[in-house]
Amino acid sequence: EAQVTQNPRYLITVTGKKLTVTCSQNMNHEYMSWYRQDPGLGLRQIYYSMNVEVTDKGDVPEGYKVSRKEKRNFPLILESPSPNQTSLYFCASRDRTISDTQYFGPGTRLTVL
Amino acid sequence: LAKTTQPISMDSYEGQEVNITCSHNNIATNDYITWYQQFPSQGPRFIIQGYKTKVTNEVASLFIPADRKSSTLSLPRVSLSDTAVYYCLVGDIGGNFNKFYFGSGTKLNVKP
Repeated sequence: EAQVTQNPRYLITVTGKKLTVTCSQNMNHEYMSWYRQDPGLGLRQIYYSMNVEVTDKGDVPEGYKVSRKEKRNFPLILESPSPNQTSLYFCASRDRTISDTQYFGPGTRLTVL
Repeated sequence: LAKTTQPISMDSYEGQEVNITCSHNNIATNDYITWYQQFPSQGPRFIIQGYKTKVTNEVASLFIPADRKSSTLSLPRVSLSDTAVYYCLVGDIGGNFNKFYFGSGTKLNVKP
């Protein structure tokens, strides 16, 4: 089954404790992206990756890092999480073969205390 | 990147046709219009995409007037399960369109 998976689905952590949210897709898509969703602010793009070893900033990249060492994986790294990074995070991969479609993962709900 | 404007929320009743309009006054010649649907605590899901006139699939129709400065997503005979947030996006999918602006979308509430 074609899908985007994220882990963990839920995470509660404390300020300053480094964490990584993993994202993996099995559709061989070149483009992957991370979003955060907050009430009243909608869905905002954090980082995206056009292909392996190619990443770029979205609208809200501060406080986040990404890496793209393999095509299928695109982890999101919070080196020193802060409470304002408490949010719902979505990973997505993009298919441009027929139409331009993004496939989203199930989301990771992060709480930083 | 063309910005879009949508109503914040809409109410409807089961069985009615719902039309959600998106304004994109600064749409560029090569831009396409894409709509996504998002249920609570789930990632958005692609609904429909178009460039001009009318596009229809098994889920919805997309109407785009000649000037392309707006578009209307039409959901026929909605049910309670269509209660969701709907996002309109505009971008040149064939070019260097790599940043996505989802905005806050339109929250559709379908009542029994």
